[in-house]
This record gives sequence, structure tokens and C-alpha cells, in this order.
Amino acid sequence: NAGVTQTPKFQVLKTGQSMTLQCAQDMNHNSMYWYRQDPGMGLRLIYYSASEGTTDKGEVPNGYNVSRLNKREFSLRLESAAPSQTSVYFCASIEASGGNEQFFGPGTRLTVL
Amino acid sequence: GQSLEQPSEVTAVEGAIVQINCTYQTSGFYGLSWYQQHDGGAPTFLSYNALDGLEETGRFSSFLSRSDSYGYLLLQELQMKDSASYFCAVANQAGTALIFGKGTTLSVSS
Repeated sequence: NAGVTQTPKFQVLKTGQSMTLQCAQDMNHNSMYWYRQDPGMGLRLIYYSASEGTTDKGEVPNGYNVSRLNKREFSLRLESAAPSQTSVYFCASIEASGGNEQFFGPGTRLTVL
Repeated sequence: GQSLEQPSEVTAVEGAIVQINCTYQTSGFYGLSWYQQHDGGAPTFLSYNALDGLEETGRFSSFLSRSDSYGYLLLQELQMKDSASYFCAVANQAGTALIFGKGTTLSVSS
């Protein structure tokens, strides 16, 4: 099993450009999450999907959209990137909502110039 | 509001014992988790407490007191490879994601 995979690993954008971060898990998990991590800020939840077909906002959803394409895949879209969105983005999944252990992907390091 | 407080940095020497505390203030509580993150890497799960008391997993133990909204991670027989950031996290409702603390950077020296 690959676990949680994310693409791309690195990305540089110019202000105003759009892009989609991809995440997939092969553990048959129900719930998936997108976090961003900035220095000294810990992990902050952007959006989550408790189950296929549902999505909900987290702490910092502004400037982002998500799609739960199927049970395996959960993508994060930046429609018009801003320098404030420079961050490391982590996708995570968990077997069931309220479960104990989240499994994280390797992260996408995004720089917006 | 919701918040988790943990020390920003802790230093220790190899072989020592270190305790990382976490206090939380959340609208609900479904459990306290601990995650480890090495520089530049993905966070990995260490432990979970839903009930009061101590959970032990090898060199690592985690404690929870729900009445005090407090928990800690205890690391014993420290090794250089334990140098990392440690995050406490709370699930405040069933079906929602975790709220993370800002992390504690542990530096282990020889």
C-alpha cells in the first residue's frame, strides 16, 4: 500500500495563477483532510470530507475549494493564488470520522511569488 | 474559541526523560492525540487518549486528565532520533478533523 500520496511535491506559482493539489489514499478510508502548515503555526485545517460526497470548511477555507472526486481522491484548488498561500500543504485520511489515527501524505511545498 | 497550548521548545540529553505538556480549551472533546514530525516530513501518529489515565507504547507514554483539560507526552530513554516536533491535537466533535497545537520542538543532544 502506498498510503496517502500527494502531487506535486513542489510548486512555484505567480500571484493570480490557479492550480490543483492532488491527494489520493489506498486504505479505503472514509474521511480525508487538507491542512496547511506555516512556521510556528502548527497544522491548520482548510477543508475536510467526512465521507464520499460531503465536504466542510475548516479553520482557514478562504481562497480554496475542494472536490471529493471519489472515495480515494480529495483535491484542493487555489483559484487565484496569493503570496499568503505560500505554505506546506498536507493531505490526511482516517478510517472513519472520529477515529484515532490520521495518516498524512508527504506534503506539497507551494511558493506563490 | 478553541486553543491548545504547549511549550514551543524543550531540550534534553540522550538517555533522559522529557515531558511535553498540553492544555486545551475546546467546545467539545473526543480525545487527545499526539503526532511526531521530523523536519520537512509528514506528521506521524504516536498515541491517543480518550479516557483519563496513562497509555504506554514502548518508550513513549501519554496521559490525559479530562477534568483538568490537560495531557502530556512522556518520552523515556531519549535518543538523538527523537529530535523532532511534537504536536498535541484534539478532536472536538465526532466527525470533524483535529485541532492541532502549534507544536513543541524537542532537541536531544549527546
